[in-house]
Amino acid sequence: GESVGLHLPTLSVQEGDNSIINCAYSNSASDYFIWYKQESGKGPQFIIDIRSNMDKRQGQRVTVLLNKTVKHLSLQIAATQPGDSAVYFCSEIQYGNKLVFGAGTILRVKS
Amino acid sequence: GAVVSQHPSWVICKSGTSVKIECRSLDFQATTMFWYRQFPKQSLMLMATSNEGSKATYEQGVEKDKFLINHASLTLSTLTVTSAHPEDSSFYICSAIPAGRDTGELFFGEGSRLTVL
Repeated sequence: GESVGLHLPTLSVQEGDNSIINCAYSNSASDYFIWYKQESGKGPQFIIDIRSNMDKRQGQRVTVLLNKTVKHLSLQIAATQPGDSAVYFCSEIQYGNKLVFGAGTILRVKS
Repeated sequence: GAVVSQHPSWVICKSGTSVKIECRSLDFQATTMFWYRQFPKQSLMLMATSNEGSKATYEQGVEKDKFLINHASLTLSTLTVTSAHPEDSSFYICSAIPAGRDTGELFFGEGSRLTVL
């Protein structure tokens, strides 16, 4: 669901380590999920998506895992780089084809 | 790839004035556009769905008379913040779905930062 008034948690990782960003969603009827990356002062950028008939999808350096039983999504970034520093949002397509964003996580990569 | 442009990218206005923000799809037609608002260090909140040629659909809690949305053509939606007040200061982001595609293929603008003094 939507996160009103919540400030974003921060994940700090060392450059080269793997990052795991988690997200809980509220609507068990949602069947399509998208992860976005947002850099400061910019709009969201598409990273990777997954449909509910899958539990894992891999891209370049990124993997999304979906656990429908507990309504949980995760984004894994391999060999995290300084350029990965940003805010990451999960999102779900809800009724009426609306894209609704989750709470978001700030990823800080330490060199 | 598809490009969505917002204008202005930032605006400062006095309290009580109205501000118009434009969202344009530059290389595709969009029957549906979405407007989001984002406060600092928070998530994007969906404000409304803008449909070309019809009235916008507002999310619960969003005042339609405060945030006027017009989607007069397949490439342009505008958001007007009427009688703006400091609490309306925010980052406003639009997104657009190419005609014939589904929501998962929407594209975001770069956002418009509104500061109301």
